[in-house]
Amino acid sequence: EVQLVESGGGLVQPGGSLRLSCAASGFTFSYHTFNWVRQAPGKGLEWVSYVSSSGTTIFYADSVKGRFTISRDDARNSLNLQMNSLRDEDTAVYYCARGEWLLSGNYYYGMDVWGQGITVTVSS
Amino acid sequence: EIVLTQSPATLSLSPGERATLSCRASQSVSSYLAWYQQKPGQAPRLLIYDASNRAPGIPARFSGSGSGTDFTLTISSLEAEDFAVYYCQQRLNWPTTFGQGTRLEIK
Repeated sequence: EVQLVESGGGLVQPGGSLRLSCAASGFTFSYHTFNWVRQAPGKGLEWVSYVSSSGTTIFYADSVKGRFTISRDDARNSLNLQMNSLRDEDTAVYYCARGEWLLSGNYYYGMDVWGQGITVTVSS
Repeated sequence: EIVLTQSPATLSLSPGERATLSCRASQSVSSYLAWYQQKPGQAPRLLIYDASNRAPGIPARFSGSGSGTDFTLTISSLEAEDFAVYYCQQRLNWPTTFGQGTRLEIK
């Protein structure tokens, strides 16, 4: 079964740090790009960060640039998000999402596999 | 940054009716637009990619159309499980952006 499972969320004080992980299974992790997308309570979807399949191309939303770091470990089939200098407005459910799928040797683009989400609460 | 504006914010319809959801981009995104469905407490699900292509496993009652700045998601005949929030997303430029969502509720 193709699956993404997030872990590492929790309650943290403003200014603190947290590291999220996303474990992948059921597909060849190294072939794919990945994103982190978050959703604040009662709000819409906000893209946070992207990493290419090679790990050499990385993008961040302006709201997290300089504070968050995305990384991937292809040996462990794992995606990570290191979150530093956390703010109240970072409180959200964080999802990891695969960026595309492979079919008959062709890539098709869309976030087709999502994790179940992990809650991050920043509060004193 | 490309801004996506979805309308209406809320759509109230009955099962069996046809739903038409709109997404307008602040500048052309060509056909690089996707639609997602999200139910309470669940992750989003990809419905449509590249404006008009159904993702694997998506029922034929879902269809997408449009290009440039104006896009439409149509659900031909609503079923009970279709009542949810729908988001559009563009992938032409980074940052990729989402619309604010349309809530489809039972009338």
